[in-house]
Formats: sequence, structure tokens, C-alpha cells
Amino acid sequence: EVQLVESGGGLVQPGRSLKLSCAASGFTFSNYYMAWVRQAPKKGLEWVATISTSGSRTYYPDSVKGRFTISRDNAKSSLYLQMNSLKSEDTATYYCARQWLGARLDYWGQGVMVTVSS
Amino acid sequence: DIRMTQSPASLSASLGETVNIECLASEDIYSDLAWYQQKPGKSPQLLIYNANSLQNGVPSRFSGSGSGTQYSLKINSLQSEDVATYFCQQYNNYALTFGSGTKLEIK
Repeated sequence: EVQLVESGGGLVQPGRSLKLSCAASGFTFSNYYMAWVRQAPKKGLEWVATISTSGSRTYYPDSVKGRFTISRDNAKSSLYLQMNSLKSEDTATYYCARQWLGARLDYWGQGVMVTVSS
Repeated sequence: DIRMTQSPASLSASLGETVNIECLASEDIYSDLAWYQQKPGKSPQLLIYNANSLQNGVPSRFSGSGSGTQYSLKINSLQSEDVATYFCQQYNNYALTFGSGTKLEIK
């Protein structure tokens, strides 16, 4: 059974940093692209980052480019999201998702809440 | 970035009815489209991919269609467990974008 379990969320002050983790199991992690998607309270879904199977290629929307960094450790079947210079508009539930062939998101974690507030 | 315009924003229908949700892309996405269901308090789940392929385990009352810039999700014989918000998403380029969602309720 595919499982994705996020951790590392919490309350953080504007301008500070936070690192999210996602532990994957039930599939060969190194064979899949992975992504982070977020959802602000009562809002829609926003793609945050994608990483290729080896980690050599990463992709971001303009809203987080230069502030967020996606990475992976295939030996540990783990995905990460380093978030720097956090803003109030980054407040959201962050989901880790398996990305089939760099396209559809076929499995999602339960999500982790990040609140950016002073 | 490709913009996805989803309609309607909300929908109320009776049990057993058929409902349709539309998604319009700002440019041709060549059927690189997925539909997700998000039940209250839960994470999204993939229903349809490549515009019309049913994800494993998804009931056959869900179907997708469309091409070019226009796509739709159809739910036949509406069940109480279908109460959820539905999102479309394009993956024609690496910059994934989602529709704004359709909240489906039972009358």
C-alpha cells in the first residue's frame, strides 16, 4: 500500500524558515517524480514544487521560486521542502504527492499545516 | 502559465441524478488533464487522468471527456458519498495548474 506521511509543520514567524519532510513507503520511491502541493484555508490547490527521480531537476512556480527548495533522499525514501523567508500567504496545508511520469498526482499524503504568523 | 477555469463553483443535486463539471484551459492541453475529488477534511484523490482514463478503484459512475481546451467530469447516479469538492488539473507543462474547484452538495 502506498503511504506518504508528512511532518515538520507548525507555527512560524514571518521571515523565518521551516523544513517539511515526507516519508514514503509501499512503492519504489526512486522511480517516481514527487511534488508538493498546498492549500490555503478554505481555498483551492496550488502546486508548489516538483522534483525528478534523481533529484537533478526541480521546478517551482514564481510564487515560491528562490525561497523554497525541494529535495529528496532516495536511500531514505524521503522528500523534503525547505521553506525560507516565509510570508503570511504561505499559510496552508502542505501535501506531498507522488507524481506519475511528471504528470498526474496519483497518491497524496494526509497533509501538514504550516501557519506563518507573528 | 496555463489558466484553468472551472464551473460551476458550486452545485446542488439530488441522489441518483447526473451532474457535469466543466473545465476550460487557456490553451490546448492535449488531454493532459486530471480530475480530483476532495472530501471534507481529507486529502485529494485522483479520479480521472489523461482526460478520460479512470484511476484504479474509482467507481465507473465517474467519467471524463474532452479535448483541446474543453473538458468535463460526469458523475452518474449521484450517491451521498460523492459530496466533495472536485478539482481539475492540467499537466501539459511542468507548471501544474488547478481549477478553482466545484463544491458538490446533495439537495
